[in-house]
Amino acid sequence: GQQLNQSPQSMFIQEGEDVSMNCTSSSIFNTWLWYKQDPGEGPVLLIALYKAGELTSNGRLTAQFGITRKDSFLNISASIPSDVGIYFCAGQLSGGSNYKLTFGKGTLLTVNP
Amino acid sequence: DSGVTQTPKHLITATGQRVTLRCSPRSGDLSVYWYQQSLDQGLQFLIQYYNGEERAKGNILERFSAQQFPDLHSELNLSSLELGDSALYFCASSANPSGGKRGETQYFGPGTRLLVL
Repeated sequence: GQQLNQSPQSMFIQEGEDVSMNCTSSSIFNTWLWYKQDPGEGPVLLIALYKAGELTSNGRLTAQFGITRKDSFLNISASIPSDVGIYFCAGQLSGGSNYKLTFGKGTLLTVNP
Repeated sequence: DSGVTQTPKHLITATGQRVTLRCSPRSGDLSVYWYQQSLDQGLQFLIQYYNGEERAKGNILERFSAQQFPDLHSELNLSSLELGDSALYFCASSANPSGGKRGETQYFGPGTRLLVL
């Protein structure tokens, strides 16, 4: 089945630094999504990407849908302590009858004030 | 707040028992998805319902079953529980799988943490 490789697994940065994480897939997706999960909470949608090549921003977050449809990256600029959490990429192959999400293993972000 | 609600938030039970997890989707959403999150497997898709009917199955054990009711809430039933079933169980909802890609975007509930002793 489809697998997502998300990297890095963890990052420890200083407040104010920029962060970049990415996901690659062995096969294509039609939609890429980025979620953030705080401990004990459900994943919260940050950015949704629906077209290959699309570059979308949400405040300090920017994400891109790779041209090959097999990858995506998420950048966080000027990190702040509340950015701490686990970031997940997810791919969705829409159409047909199955709209399940395939998730990466997550990137644990720690921000040192 | 995603608008998806799940109850209970925590559940502690013993091996061999049966539990029911409940999910209410966002207002107007027709699709409900169940996911299991464990440390070793990450977030794994279990099953999807659309407007009361099963739409797709993922890595769901035969001991697990789900249903979606006419009011669109969904229940996930876990039976003959084993220690390895301890995990976070999430429900997500989306508006309409046939409503284009934006209609398929999934919003997650806060989860139910299941501990099997």
